[in-house]
Amino acid sequence: SYGPTQASSVSAAPGRTATITCEGNNIGTKVVNWYQHKSGQAPVLVIYDDSERPSGIPERFSGSNSANTATLTISRVEAGDEADYYCQVSYTRGDLVIFGGGTKLVVL
Amino acid sequence: QVQLVQSGTEVAKPGASVKVSCKASGNTFSGYYIHWVRQAPGQGLEWMGRISPDSGDTHPAQYFQDRVTLTRDTSIHTAYLEVRSLRFDDTALYFCARDQGANNFDLWGQGTLVTVSS
Repeated sequence: SYGPTQASSVSAAPGRTATITCEGNNIGTKVVNWYQHKSGQAPVLVIYDDSERPSGIPERFSGSNSANTATLTISRVEAGDEADYYCQVSYTRGDLVIFGGGTKLVVL
Repeated sequence: QVQLVQSGTEVAKPGASVKVSCKASGNTFSGYYIHWVRQAPGQGLEWMGRISPDSGDTHPAQYFQDRVTLTRDTSIHTAYLEVRSLRFDDTALYFCARDQGANNFDLWGQGTLVTVSS
């Protein structure tokens, strides 16, 4: 796979903070978006343009992107946050969109 | 209500073709690229390509460019994904998604399950 790298799973207890990373060479120079995906449902955009939050997404979700790592941080984790999270990198030529492999967030 | 509504479940044989539709309601068609993304069982999200509903210009992913055709019918606000020469590993849930700008997808269809089975 030539896309960005994500850990297969991350766990966090309710009320704690979950950190999900997306690694790639100089990914900090690219635009990164994040999606929450629950089985059988359509994905939901939770962060775009590295750190912007769409309307309706709680402030508990935040993003950053620098050097070789983009990060999605979920504060005060809730049971309903349990899902797969995908980073997505945008390009201007070739394949315009590449997804990371996804990280399963397990709420303990 | 702004939404993308996709066609129903498809079952097809290896070597056949399938065409999935994505109908936009409200002001969700003109001015926004439509992308296609799929998820095979147990796998992650995979980008397949995009189409401009306004111009009809397409940009398929390199992996799919020989087997995928993206089209649209502006009169009925509908985008189409056709996959030819189907293989067993094309079995997946196929999504269309609206690009709100710079390749990020703020609105998704409900998904269409395509099963390739002999």
